[in-house]
Amino acid sequence: AQSVTQPDIHITVSEGASLELRCNYSYGATPYLFWYVQSPGQGLQLLLKYFSGDTLVQGIKGFEAEFKRSQSSFNLRKPSVHWSDAAEYFCAVGARDSNYQLIWGAGTKLIIKP
Amino acid sequence: GAGVSQSPSNKVTEKGKDVELRCDPISGHTALYWYRQSLGQGLEFLIYFQGNSAPDKSGLPSDRFSAERTGGSVSTLTIQRTQQEDSAVYLCASSTLQGYIQYFGAGTRLSVL
Repeated sequence: AQSVTQPDIHITVSEGASLELRCNYSYGATPYLFWYVQSPGQGLQLLLKYFSGDTLVQGIKGFEAEFKRSQSSFNLRKPSVHWSDAAEYFCAVGARDSNYQLIWGAGTKLIIKP
Repeated sequence: GAGVSQSPSNKVTEKGKDVELRCDPISGHTALYWYRQSLGQGLEFLIYFQGNSAPDKSGLPSDRFSAERTGGSVSTLTIQRTQQEDSAVYLCASSTLQGYIQYFGAGTRLSVL
């Protein structure tokens, strides 16, 4: 079955520390991969996406993610977090043959310690 | 418009009442999605509209839920005889015909008392 797993429900990091949020997927087709961020009371905003090509993709707000096909992973990273990064992060997977449907992870809530 | 607009932003209703939630997608976007996000949960797909095609209603949790999209633009999600378990944030997103990137509104927070 198609699924997306974000194993960490919450992650707490200190401001200025590095961050890695995990995303693993199970998908039969070549995946399209996304990371979205949801700030409190807001809708979801696209951080970055992977469709093809270079497996290391850069996004907004200093985030990057690396697609590792052998590990079925698409982990999100940031070298130094800021207090404004506190939010919930969602990984999603789609495919060309799915036409439109995205499979969503349950989200990881990022908490920033001052 | 500049982005996806949803109204109202908050809705409090009594159990058993009907509610209508509105979504105004980005101009020119032919695809429109409704999701439900319960507290601490991920996104639950409800329904998908694409142009003039028949909508994909496979995610609607019961026949109390329905949605329509008029003129290929604005969409209304209707929940009849609301129940307490319907309390959630309802998110709308839109995308272009060939796009896989979904643009989200800020959502409607529905509270059923």
